[in-house]
Amino acid sequence: AQSVTQLGSHVSVSEGALVLLRCNYSSSVPPYLFWYVQYPNQGLQLLLKYTSAATLVKGINGFEAEFKKSETSFHLTKPSAHMSDAAEYFCAVSASSGTYKYIFGTGTRLKVLA
Amino acid sequence: DTGVSQDPRHKITKRGQNVTFRCDPISEHNRLYWYRQTLGQGPEFLTYFQNEAQLEKSRLLSDRFSAERPKGSFSTLEIQRTEQGDSAMYLCASSVGTGGSYEQYFGPGTRLTVT
Repeated sequence: AQSVTQLGSHVSVSEGALVLLRCNYSSSVPPYLFWYVQYPNQGLQLLLKYTSAATLVKGINGFEAEFKKSETSFHLTKPSAHMSDAAEYFCAVSASSGTYKYIFGTGTRLKVLA
Repeated sequence: DTGVSQDPRHKITKRGQNVTFRCDPISEHNRLYWYRQTLGQGPEFLTYFQNEAQLEKSRLLSDRFSAERPKGSFSTLEIQRTEQGDSAMYLCASSVGTGGSYEQYFGPGTRLTVT
């Protein structure tokens, strides 16, 4: 069975500082991994995805993530935080066959301090 | 491309009442998912349609829940005899393609409050 663990349910950074949100996965087959962002009372918006091409994936709004098989990690980073980045971030792994449903982590709420 | 839409956005109901939610996926998306998200948690899978066929249901989907996707277009999720534990955000997502690399596009969700 596949699973995702997000370390840190709340992360605070100063505006302009590095953002690092952690995601570790468990999968017996090469995974498809996704990062989504959710603003209050809204649905989820895709930031980026890993589909076994390049291990460093660039997404929208300056975010990127690196797939590290040896560490079973897919951490999300952004060099310089902006106030508008404050939101909840979810890492997800796609089931390896059949429905390709997502298995989500519990989310990390990012707070950006002025 | 108008994205995935859901209706209503908010629903307040009394315990024991029935509620129905609607999801309109992106046109030409043959795959449709329902998820449930409770406060402080990530979304959890409820059910999946490929075209009009419901191919998987989670154990979270008790017999009070039913979902349909007639003609492979919009989908409805009905909850009968609602309970306070049903209070959550219900998210619909759609996707195209036959593999796991295709991302899912999410609607804004329907927030259900059972009083």
